Amino acid sequence: GENVEQHPSTLSVQEGDSAVIKCTYSDSASNYFPWYKQELGKRPQLIIDIRSNVGEKKDQRIAVTLNKTAKHFSLHITETQPEDSAVYFCAASNAGGTSYGKLTFGQGTILTVHP
Amino acid sequence: SAVISQKPSRDICQRGTSLTIQCQVDSQVTMMFWYRQQPGQSLTLIATANQGSEATYESGFVIDKFPISRPNLTFSTLTVSNMSPEDSSIYLCSVESQGSSYNEQFFGPGTRLTVL
Repeated sequence: GENVEQHPSTLSVQEGDSAVIKCTYSDSASNYFPWYKQELGKRPQLIIDIRSNVGEKKDQRIAVTLNKTAKHFSLHITETQPEDSAVYFCAASNAGGTSYGKLTFGQGTILTVHP
Repeated sequence: SAVISQKPSRDICQRGTSLTIQCQVDSQVTMMFWYRQQPGQSLTLIATANQGSEATYESGFVIDKFPISRPNLTFSTLTVSNMSPEDSSIYLCSVESQGSSYNEQFFGPGTRLTVL
């Protein structure tokens, strides 16, 4: 089955700096890669996702890049703010395949943005 | 996205007992999923709740321990049976966004379970 590795496990940045979180996946059939943000005590929230037919997607200060050949994808947050502090999870799935909506999650990254 | 609610939001239970968690969605959805999130850990899929058929369980999870019901397209329950302290976790249901072919999933608020 799919295995997703996420790095780093913790990331500390100063407000205004950029943050990058990287994930690698093992199943070349995976074609959908979402990122979730989970604040303390709250549910995971989908913040951005990318399909395998594109290499990059941006939404304001966040962007995701995908390298299918290398089987890795990354989350980029620019101009970080204290409210970006949370745990971020990457995930992968084979949309449309027999796994249906099965998401395999990375281990999570604790992002701390210092004012 | 769909509005998802779970009951109870939290519970403290004695070992050996069972707890049933409910997940309600405000619209009909085809796919519903149950995840477990142990303290400080990532999310692990327990099973996919299929309407009108048996749930599909992931490796390491069995129906006797985590029976699931899916009586209609807006509701599902997960039961944690014969609980032990190792079952202390957050249990989350999620639904797949209707009309999407790419499995956008949205999560319920979770049920925080503590087993003594």
